[in-house]
Amino acid sequence: NAGVTQTPKFQVLKTGQSMTLQCAQDMNHEYMSWYRQDPGMGLRLIHYSVGAGITDQGEVPNGYNVSRSTTEDFPLRLLSAAPSQTSVYFCASSYSLGIYEQYFGPGTRLTVT
Amino acid sequence: AQSVTQLDSHVSVSEGTPVLLRCNYSSSYSPSLFWYVQHPNKGLQLLLKYTSAATLVKGINGFEAEFKKSETSFHLTKPSAHMSDAAEYFCVVSDTSYGQNFVFGPGTRLSVLP
Repeated sequence: NAGVTQTPKFQVLKTGQSMTLQCAQDMNHEYMSWYRQDPGMGLRLIHYSVGAGITDQGEVPNGYNVSRSTTEDFPLRLLSAAPSQTSVYFCASSYSLGIYEQYFGPGTRLTVT
Repeated sequence: AQSVTQLDSHVSVSEGTPVLLRCNYSSSYSPSLFWYVQHPNKGLQLLLKYTSAATLVKGINGFEAEFKKSETSFHLTKPSAHMSDAAEYFCVVSDTSYGQNFVFGPGTRLSVLP
């Protein structure tokens, strides 16, 4: 099992550019989520999905879009990058909500200039 | 809504001395609680979890945590720190409600001095 994979590992964007961060899991998990990590703030939830075709907003959704067409993949789209989106992004998956731990990908370090 | 407070942003200990990282939570339901560790420039790894079974939970690398409902706490301890324990530690609360589950605390950075 590869677990949760994310690409790319690093990315530099100019303000206004768009891009997609890829996330895939091979554990047949229903629940997937995207977080951003900023110094001193822990991880904050951007969007999540409880199954294929079902997504919802988290704590900090503005400027990001997601879709979930398959159980395995959960891409995160930045529509028009802003310097405030400079962060480390983590994708995670779990069997379900509640008592189940989340498994995290290695992260994508994004810089917007 | 759930929330997590990690009382120390930075803890520094000497190698071989005990570690205590403090976590208090707020939850409307019976929570599940987790501790994750993040080594520099790495992803997050689960250390241990509490899901309403035994209140003293043992995890990997000699860490353990005790769930105290009356104090709404889930502090992480280790009897003897090792240099390799230097990392960021996150306390997480999750309840069984639908939606924005799995709330992270701000993290505690553990330094281990030789």
